[in-house]
Amino acid sequence: GAVVSQHPSWVICKSGTSVKIECRSLDFQATTMFWYRQFPKQSLMLMATSNEGSKATYEQGVEKDKFLINHASLTLSTLTVTSAHPEDSSFYICSAPPGTRQETQYFGPGTRLLVL
Amino acid sequence: KNQVEQSPQSLIILEGKNCTLQCNYTVSPFSNLRWYKQDTGRGPVSLTIMTFSENTKSNGRYTATLDADTKQSSLHITASQLSDSASYICVVSAGGSYIPTFGRGTSLIVHP
Repeated sequence: GAVVSQHPSWVICKSGTSVKIECRSLDFQATTMFWYRQFPKQSLMLMATSNEGSKATYEQGVEKDKFLINHASLTLSTLTVTSAHPEDSSFYICSAPPGTRQETQYFGPGTRLLVL
Repeated sequence: KNQVEQSPQSLIILEGKNCTLQCNYTVSPFSNLRWYKQDTGRGPVSLTIMTFSENTKSNGRYTATLDADTKQSSLHITASQLSDSASYICVVSAGGSYIPTFGRGTSLIVHP
C-alpha cells in the first residue's frame, strides 16, 4: 500500500526554538496533505490542510504564524513549529490521500515533539 | 454537526478472547467509514474501509460491520493477541469532503 513517511520521528528542543517536521509520500503524489496533532489519550485533531502550490488552509483556533506549512512539491509537505513552547509538546501526524482518491488517506508514523 | 462516538472508551480482555468495539456516527451525507489501529507512538494504520453499500468487511481476525440505516458500525476482533493492544479509531467521511470526522478511539489492552 501507499507509504507516508515523517522525519524526524521524535525531537526534543528548547523553548523558543523552531522545529521543522517533514512529511513525504514515498510512492505516490499528493496534491493535498493533512497535519494533525494528538495529545495523550485524545483523538487526532486536524490542524491544517496543506496544498501543493498554494497556501495552507488552517482550522479554526490554529495559529498560521505559529505553525508554518509549506507544500514544496507533490511528495513533500513541511510543518514548522515556530518559537516552540512546552504547550506545543504533542504528537504530530500527517496524512495524504493518493491521487484523486481524496477519501482514502494514508497516515505517517508521527513525530513526537517535546519542548523543554 | 458531524460526530463520531465510540464505545467503550477502554477495554481489557484476556488473550484469545473475542471482543467488539462500537462506533455511532451522525456524519451526513455518509461516504465511507474506516477503522484504524493506532499503536502507541505510531500513526494510524487502516484496517477496513466500507462504503454505504457494504455491510461487512474482514481483514484477517478483524471484521467490521456497517448498518447505514442506524448509523452504527462495529469492529469485531477474533482470538485476540497481545499485539492487538492498541487504540482503535473509527473515522467517517462525508460525501464531497476530504476532511474526515474522527472518533476518540477505544483503547484495547490484551492481557496474557
